[in-house]
Order: sequence, then C-alpha cells, then structure tokens
Amino acid sequence: QVQVVQSGGEVKKPGASVKVSCKTSGYTFTNYAIGWVRQAPGQGLEWMGWISPYNGNKNYAQKLQGRVTMTTDTSTNTAYMELRSLRSDDTAIYYCTRLTGTSFWFDPWGQGTLVTVSS
Amino acid sequence: NFMLTQPHSVSESPGKTVTISCTRTSGSIASNYVQWYQQRPGSVPTTVIYEDNQRPSGVPDRFSGSIDSSSNSASLTISGLKTEDEADYYCQSYDTSNQVVFGGGTKLTAL
Repeated sequence: QVQVVQSGGEVKKPGASVKVSCKTSGYTFTNYAIGWVRQAPGQGLEWMGWISPYNGNKNYAQKLQGRVTMTTDTSTNTAYMELRSLRSDDTAIYYCTRLTGTSFWFDPWGQGTLVTVSS
Repeated sequence: NFMLTQPHSVSESPGKTVTISCTRTSGSIASNYVQWYQQRPGSVPTTVIYEDNQRPSGVPDRFSGSIDSSSNSASLTISGLKTEDEADYYCQSYDTSNQVVFGGGTKLTAL
C-alpha cells in the first residue's frame, strides 16, 4: 500500500532553517508530484507548494516564495521541504502528501511533522 | 487568485442530512476539480470526495459531492449523520497556474 512517512518534530529558533523529509513507498515515485501543506495550531490547511520528482518542476505558494525550497531524491523515493528564516508564525504541523497531477488531489497524507519556532 | 469560502461551522442531529458549501470567489467552480477532506481532532486529513463527486474506496456512500454552477459552489452532503462524522471538513481546488487553494474549513457538529 502507498505510504508516506515524515521525519520527526523539530524545535528551532527564529531565523533558523528547518528541513523536513518525506519517504514514500508502495508506488512509482516519479509518477506523482509531492505536495506540502501546513497547519498552524487551531487553524486551517495552508498549501505550501508541490514538486514533481519526474522533472523537478515546482510551484510554490506566493506567500512563501524565497523562503521555501522543495527537492526530491529519486534514488531513495524521498522528498524534502526546507523553510528558511523561520518566524514564530511558522509554528505548525507540516504535511507531505502525494499529489495526483490530473486533478490535484492530495492522497495519502503523511503523519505530519510538528515544527515549533521559539526563542 | 481565487478563494474558497466555507461556513465556519454547521450542526445537525444524528440521522439527519447536512450540507457544507464551498463557494469560489472568482472563476468558474466547474473549471477545476474540487476535493473534500475530513480531519478529525488530532488526526491527519483524509479524502472523502475527489474530482467533484468521486468517493475513494472505504468512504461510505452517505458522503456525496456536487457542483452548482449557478451559485459557483461545491457542496459536500452527508446523509444519515453519525456522531463519528464530527470533524473539520475542507474543500480544495486549484487554478490555471496550478496553484492550490484550500477553503477555510467547516467544523461539523452532530448534536
């Protein structure tokens, strides 16, 4: 079955960077894009961007342009999301999810990675 | 870009039918597929409807999705409401630039 497993929680200071990993299995990695979505405490879902492991095409949310970088490693079927210049309002659960390109359907979702930004 | 507007909360009695709306603020709702996700407290989102009206395997047929071009909105309808359906529900779509948009979420309470 399709599985998406993320790295563990992180605590970072303001101004630092965080890199979250997302290891996939159970399907052909290059056939689907990987999407990243975050959820601040008590808030809704916020789309961050997506990346195609097939050709490296990316699309980032305008709000995060310049601070976020998404990459993939096709040798290990793993995706990465790096967020720089962290602020307190970046504190959130970060989800990695497989993205069906034809309809932009996110499924399944990883278990989530809590990133806490605090001095 | 457009937004997807959802009611903040809805409530209904168990056994009844409830509908959650998702209105697209600009552009046609029919232009791009709409998905619906259920998120129970403390859990990961899961899909209940994809591509406007398709149910993933394992999702009960009590859940249905539709599109209404006249109101430029999508709807998620849950019939025979159960207490286990209590959750936050999010609609999601995308635009011609392949930018993704989530609705703000609706908290469903089964009274």
